[in-house]
Amino acid sequence: DGGITQSPKYLFRKEGQNVTLSCEQNLNHDAMYWYRQDPGQGLRLIYYSQIVNDFQKGDIAEGYSVSREKKESFPLTVTSAQKNPTAFYLCASSSRQSTIYEQYFGPGTRLTVT
Amino acid sequence: GQNIDQPTEMTATEGAIVQINCTYQTSGFNGLFWYQQHAGEAPTFLSYNVLDGLEEKGRFSSFLSRSKGYSYLLLKELQMKDSASYLCAVRVAGYSTLTFGKGTMLLVSP
Repeated sequence: DGGITQSPKYLFRKEGQNVTLSCEQNLNHDAMYWYRQDPGQGLRLIYYSQIVNDFQKGDIAEGYSVSREKKESFPLTVTSAQKNPTAFYLCASSSRQSTIYEQYFGPGTRLTVT
Repeated sequence: GQNIDQPTEMTATEGAIVQINCTYQTSGFNGLFWYQQHAGEAPTFLSYNVLDGLEEKGRFSSFLSRSKGYSYLLLKELQMKDSASYLCAVRVAGYSTLTFGKGTMLLVSP
């Protein structure tokens, strides 16, 4: 059963700690994306990667870091430099094999930092 | 940059028809997507338009006018389960990324 998994669904951390959110896909998709969603803000792009070992900053990359060592995995680290880390984080992937290159989303991780 | 506008909230009655509008301003337009998102869940893909006109898929249809920078999502025979947020997203030529609007929260009442 192909899909995108994100774990855990809920994550709690203390201020000043780095935290890594996991995203794994078995869809054989080339591109992967990280979004942040806040109430009333829609989805905002943090980072994206179109191929292994390459990634680009999105609109709100400050305070975040990523890696893409494997095609299936695109972990996101929320660092202590991120001023307002509490949010709903969504991972997505897409494939050039698709004619419209639509993005498929994982179930999300809700991060709360206190 | 890109600017995408959608109404914040809409209400409708079960069995009715509702139209959710989306206007955008962008250069190098290369497609418009509609996603549905239930509270606390992942967005799911509904429709895609890149040429002018109407795309129909069951109870859902999506329309695009590139010259007007305008799209709408039409939901027919509304059901309670259609209560969700509807996200409009635009892709620019040469990029795989999408820019999302803030979403329209639709509440369907009995």
